[in-house]
Amino acid sequence: QVQLQESGPGLVKPSETLSLTCTVSGGPISSYYWIWIRQPPGKGLEWIGYFHYSGTTNYNPSLKSRVSISGDTSKNQFSLKLSSVTAADKAVYFCARGDALTGMALEYWGQGTLVTVSS
Amino acid sequence: EIVLTQSPGTLSLSPGERATLSCRASQSISSTYLAWYQQKPGQAPRLLIYGASSRATGIPDRFSGSGSGTDFTLTISRLEPEDFAIYYCQQYGSSPPWTFGQGTKVEIK
Repeated sequence: QVQLQESGPGLVKPSETLSLTCTVSGGPISSYYWIWIRQPPGKGLEWIGYFHYSGTTNYNPSLKSRVSISGDTSKNQFSLKLSSVTAADKAVYFCARGDALTGMALEYWGQGTLVTVSS
Repeated sequence: EIVLTQSPGTLSLSPGERATLSCRASQSISSTYLAWYQQKPGQAPRLLIYGASSRATGIPDRFSGSGSGTDFTLTISRLEPEDFAIYYCQQYGSSPPWTFGQGTKVEIK
């Protein structure tokens, strides 16, 4: 059974860099697409971007200048970095897996981790 | 960027009733790349439908999806108590960002 688990600081200071890791179990990350999505409290879902094991990445244009997603196949993890955070970046951050065989639908998700931006 | 508009914002129904949720895209998208998710408070979204009409693993057959082009529909044939939640559509076409609709809340009447 594929499982994803987000980890990282729950509190980040304004202007600093948010860093989260998603650990994948039950299958290698050297396949599929690995995605980050966020959800501000009480609001809808926002796609942040993806990492593909081939090294390909793609980001939401609204965040592109501040975001980086990378993978570590040796640890079966992938990571999100979001720089210059502000209060608007407070959200629950989810990692998920996209499968090209299902048209990139997101069948597996982590449970999400809340990140607050405050000094 | 493709904008997905879901309607209605809130649907108030009783258990056993039929729910019809709409998702309209700002431009035509391939049916292959349209999915529906269910989200309950404090939980991650759960994939219900992919490819506009294919049920994900373990999803009951009371959930069905249809549509093409710019208009897509999620239908819940008979609402069960556990179906009251927020539902999102998502498109993941050739050009990111892969956007979500703003959600439809299905609440108990």
